[in-house]
Amino acid sequence: EVQLLESGGGLVQPGGSLRLSCTAPGFTLSSYALSWVRQAPGKGLEWVSTVGTVDGDTHYGDSVKGRFTISRDNSKNTLYLQMNSLRAEDAAVYYCAKGRGGSYPESRTFDYWGQGTLVTVSS
Amino acid sequence: IQLTQSPSSLSASVGDRVTITCRASQGISSYLVWYQQKAGKAPNLLIYAASTLQSGVPSRFSGSGSGTDFTLTISSLQPEDFATYYCQQLNSFPLTFGGGTKVEIK
Repeated sequence: EVQLLESGGGLVQPGGSLRLSCTAPGFTLSSYALSWVRQAPGKGLEWVSTVGTVDGDTHYGDSVKGRFTISRDNSKNTLYLQMNSLRAEDAAVYYCAKGRGGSYPESRTFDYWGQGTLVTVSS
Repeated sequence: IQLTQSPSSLSASVGDRVTITCRASQGISSYLVWYQQKAGKAPNLLIYAASTLQSGVPSRFSGSGSGTDFTLTISSLQPEDFATYYCQQLNSFPLTFGGGTKVEIK
């Protein structure tokens, strides 16, 4: 059973920055695409970003493009999301999600999810 | 690509047959998946490639469709099935989810 563990959420002021992390103890993530999906309180799911297994293979939702950066460190078996210029509308539970595989279409199907980390943006 | 789910909510009884639809704004072949999300929990993959049951998911769940119209069916609703269901397209970036269908107890 794959367990994804997110960390790094918290309270940040508008315009501030935060870095989320996601790791999977006992499971090697390097062969799989990884994504971030968020859910604002009481709302539906919103895809944020995906990083593939090949360098430079990154994708972003329009609402975060230019402000968020997804990356992975396979040596640390960790996924990151650097969030800059945070806005009130970025407040949500952020889930990391593992693709079923490393290439399309499996990479875009999320078979394991973390428990989520809450990001609150408020002054 | 926009995904429109209907209904947005429904009330049903244990044992009922439940059908949820997801319509894509353009053709996506069979690149559609379904998730179940219970309150306060992360989503759980039910079906991928429109109709393939994820390992460990009960056989009362089934999916069908291709192109623009898709369906998730629960053949006999069980107490543990009361949750919110989401479709997601993986045909192209940006990946998108439907608005969700909340299945409640009648």
